[in-house]
Amino acid sequence: QKEVEQDPGPLSVPEGAIVSLNCTYSNSAFQYFMWYRQYSRKGPELLMYTYSSGNKEDGRFTAQVDKSSKYISLFIRDSQPSDSATYLCAMSSSSSGNQFYFGTGTSLTVIP
Amino acid sequence: GAVVSQHPSWVICKSGTSVKIECRSLDFQATTMFWYRQFPKQSLMLMATSNEGSKATYEQGVEKDKFLINHASLTLSTLTVTSAHPEDSSFYICSARDLMGQGPSSEQFFGPGTRLTVL
Repeated sequence: QKEVEQDPGPLSVPEGAIVSLNCTYSNSAFQYFMWYRQYSRKGPELLMYTYSSGNKEDGRFTAQVDKSSKYISLFIRDSQPSDSATYLCAMSSSSSGNQFYFGTGTSLTVIP
Repeated sequence: GAVVSQHPSWVICKSGTSVKIECRSLDFQATTMFWYRQFPKQSLMLMATSNEGSKATYEQGVEKDKFLINHASLTLSTLTVTSAHPEDSSFYICSARDLMGQGPSSEQFFGPGTRLTVL
């Protein structure tokens, strides 16, 4: 079983839609949860970072962590064509040191 | 925000040659840099962790003699793919951790990646 599971998509939505991206994980020691956005042929850029459980909102983006279910989500409101990218979840724990565990990424296309 | 650069951004080489990729932290010092490779439609796979002034730590299955890593300064790490073969063709991405970072999270900044094609 992979440490982190993420549906690769592709996901295609109309402009203005609410997008829900999800990851599940198996290691209960994970405490730090990140979402990265990666445009084609570019390196990942950090979108959201959450420690432990709960919600975090930043503009149109909301990250949720449910540690009891080992499930994290990223919601994008009022999606824009510029949101079209691959979204990677990543997580780590204190015991994993610097190592991040990445999901496979979900490819999102927002259609104008 | 912190910036990490990679050079070259893309390279094409013949089979059997060696290729060096540079990763630089431009506006911060990085004690630790990471090298990943990414195949199309797949996630980032950690290859090795590079610490300034010491030997790199390689992940299981990664040949250290083939992927030579040097982290000579707090702002530069290099990955050399020796005797490259077509199966080494991939997208190589580095990331750097801010020296002052307290947690394993947002202090890790990614470079733009280097696309290697071996003919």
